[in-house]
Amino acid sequence: GQNIDQPTEMTATEGAIVQINCTYQTSGFNGLFWYQQHAGEAPTFLSYNVLDGLEEKGRFSSFLSRSKGYSYLLLKELQMKDSASYLCAVGNISGGYNKLIFGAGTRLAVHP
Amino acid sequence: DGGITQSPKYLFRKEGQNVTLSCEQNLNHDAMYWYRQDPGQGLRLIYYSQIVNDFQKGDIAEGYSVSREKKESFPLTVTSAQKNPTAFYLCASSIGDNEQFFGPGTRLTVL
Repeated sequence: GQNIDQPTEMTATEGAIVQINCTYQTSGFNGLFWYQQHAGEAPTFLSYNVLDGLEEKGRFSSFLSRSKGYSYLLLKELQMKDSASYLCAVGNISGGYNKLIFGAGTRLAVHP
Repeated sequence: DGGITQSPKYLFRKEGQNVTLSCEQNLNHDAMYWYRQDPGQGLRLIYYSQIVNDFQKGDIAEGYSVSREKKESFPLTVTSAQKNPTAFYLCASSIGDNEQFFGPGTRLTVL
């Protein structure tokens, strides 16, 4: 089967660093995506990992270990506007078709 | 400006009625997707299409139908057979298996 787990909620302080973990089990793995979604809005793309290691993009970094079925999103120098849900999504190839399987999302609250 | 548009933003439907949600993109993307999102839950795939005139059922296709007659358009019909249609519906598109770009969503409420 296919399964994606991430914490439901996290809180952090403005200016701090927070790490959001994601573990997954899937066949036909084709990369791992992180999206940010503010309440009532559409998700926006943050990062993509297909090989093991760390990808850095400004204040956001994402890490992948395919052998462990594990990824994390690291947010540095937190700002109030980072309060949002963060969705982990696994790319899946099956029968020649590509699709994304989403986790339930982690709701992050940043406090002053 | 290139992007994905969905209309309407809010939609109200009486029980037993079919309703069609619009999704249009001018990004020249081959692949398009429909997701449903319920409060506190992740996105669940309803239907997807990787090329014109071809589409595949996702994880929760029952009670929904789609068509893909043009590259730019992927309308979703919520039929009366869908038992619990009240949800936030998101359309997305992509080039192959690259990142998906999402439209603003349609919030459907069944009265």
